Order: sequence, then C-alpha cells, then structure tokens
Amino acid sequence: NAGVTQTPKFQVLKTGQSMTLQCAQDMNHEYMSWYRQDPGMGLRLIHYSVGAGITDQGEVPNGYNVSRSTTEDFPLRLLSAAPSQTSVYFCASSYIRGPGNTIYFGEGSWLTVV
Amino acid sequence: EDKVVQSPLSLVVHEGDTVTLNCSYEVTNFRSLLWYKQEKKAPTFLFMLTSSGIEKKSGRLSSILDKKELFSILNITATQTGDSAVYLCVRVGNNDMRFGAGTRLTVKP
Repeated sequence: NAGVTQTPKFQVLKTGQSMTLQCAQDMNHEYMSWYRQDPGMGLRLIHYSVGAGITDQGEVPNGYNVSRSTTEDFPLRLLSAAPSQTSVYFCASSYIRGPGNTIYFGEGSWLTVV
Repeated sequence: EDKVVQSPLSLVVHEGDTVTLNCSYEVTNFRSLLWYKQEKKAPTFLFMLTSSGIEKKSGRLSSILDKKELFSILNITATQTGDSAVYLCVRVGNNDMRFGAGTRLTVKP
C-alpha cells in the first residue's frame, strides 16, 4: 500500500511549456483533488474528482486541466506554463461515502516557471 | 461560495503558552471537519470531527466542533517550539473539501 504517489517532486519549466503532474493512489478512494500552495498561504483547490469519469473545477482552475480515466490516477496538466503558476502542488485523495474521512496527501511537487 | 475562515492568520507565542485556533465554515452540507498540521511538506492529520460538543484529544492538543454555530476550535496547551507550524482546517462536504487559509503558529523558546 503506497498511499498517494505524486511525481515529479521538483520541476523547472520555461514560460509557455506544458507538463503533467502525476498522481496515483492505491486505496480505491473515490475522491481525488489537486491543490496549490503559494508561500505563506493555505491550500487552494484547483480541480477535484468524485469518481472515474467525473471532474469539476475548484477555486483556481484556470490554466490547468485534469482527467480521471481510472479510479487510481488523477493527472494535472499545465497547458502553457506561466510564472504565476510557480507554486507547490499537492494531490490528495479520500473516501467520499460515510460520515467523513481522512485526506491522504502526496508529498508535494515544487514547480518553478521561469 | 462556501468559505472556510481561520483566525488568527498568524500567532506568535512563547513556550508554555496556551493557544486557541479558530475555524468557521459557511456551508451546511457538512460531513466532517478535519484539522491538519503542516510543517515543511505535506499536511499531517490531527483530528476528524463529525459531532458537536465531543472533544477530541491527543496529548496537548484538543479540538471541538459546534455544528449549530458552524465553527471548530483547536487548542494547544503548554506549547513547545515543535508546535510551530501552519494549522489547517478542512470542511468536508458531500462532494467536496475546502481548506481554510491556515493559522501560522510560531512558538518562541
């Protein structure tokens, strides 16, 4: 049981480049989400998914795409990187049914756009 | 838009002090409220609260939820320098989760 695996850990991109942050979980969680955390700020929701084939926008979705073709994987795509997307990105997953459940986090991806 | 508001945003105390961190939320489609501690990497889980008035305790940390007034508090007694971190609260709804901005706690020796 690996939990939530997030890659890459560090990445430097040039403005205009595209890339994909990978996130995978092996806990059969329905709910997966991506957050960004800027210095001195809390986590802001980018996109989330409540199951395979279902995605929805969070608070700050612009410039990012997601897909959920399987329960396990929830990749985050930066379409054309901008310096404003320099941030730390966290993927998270949890069960969605039941009274409430712990969120499991990936270790974070430090992205710098120059 | 449903918001999760934490206060204060920043707090500096000395070792041995007791602190109370606040978290209020707006939405009523509510399943649970979670508290996390974040140091340098991914947040680590502290508490999950689903029922009003039932205190959860773990060592010097405790937390309680008020579902009528839509808030939760996190208490830390006899603070230590190792408690320095950002404390996040998360409102878990039926189909989404929202984080507060966090409270940055600094404990000075």
